[in-house]
Amino acid sequence: EVLLVESGGGLVQPGGSLRLSCAASGFIFSSYGMTWVRQAPGKGLEWVSSISGSGGSTYYADSVKGRFSMSRDNAKNTLYLQMNSLRAEDTAVYFCAKDIRWELRMGVFDGWGQGTLVTVSS
Amino acid sequence: DIQMTQSPSSLSASVGDRVTITCQASQDISNYLNWYQQKPGKAPKLLIYDASNLETGVPSRFSGSGSGTEYTFTISSLQPEDVATYYCQQYDKLPPPTFGGGTKLEIK
Repeated sequence: EVLLVESGGGLVQPGGSLRLSCAASGFIFSSYGMTWVRQAPGKGLEWVSSISGSGGSTYYADSVKGRFSMSRDNAKNTLYLQMNSLRAEDTAVYFCAKDIRWELRMGVFDGWGQGTLVTVSS
Repeated sequence: DIQMTQSPSSLSASVGDRVTITCQASQDISNYLNWYQQKPGKAPKLLIYDASNLETGVPSRFSGSGSGTEYTFTISSLQPEDVATYYCQQYDKLPPPTFGGGTKLEIK
């Protein structure tokens, strides 16, 4: 069974940084692309970033490009999202999600973590 | 970016009713369309992928159809446990994969 557990969320001031982690188990982590999706309070789902199974390809939403960096450690079965220059509009629950594919034609998310809340406020 | 317009934004129906949600893409997405269910306070769950393929373990009362720019999600007989918000999501032209605005489904 796919298990994804996010951590690292919390309260941070505007302009600050946070690093989210997502510990994966129950599947061969390196064989699948991974994604971060966020959900602002009371709002819908917003794709943030994706990474291929090898980690060689990364993709970012325009809203976070240049501020966020996604990476993975396949030896530790862990996904990361480094978030810098945080803004109030980044306040959201951040979910990590497993793709059904390794690299090509990613975009089907068949396993999700429970989410971690990031609050950007002074 | 491809825009996904989902309707209705909210829906109230009775147990046993047939429920339909539609999603319109701003351009042809070649059936690269998924549907997710999100219950309050929970993570989303994949129900349908590639427009009409039922994810393993998902009850057969859920189904999807469509092509080109128009897609439909149907619950054939609404159950109390189906109360949730439902989202469509395209992944034809990446990045970004884009979600619809969601449909909040309640029991009448």
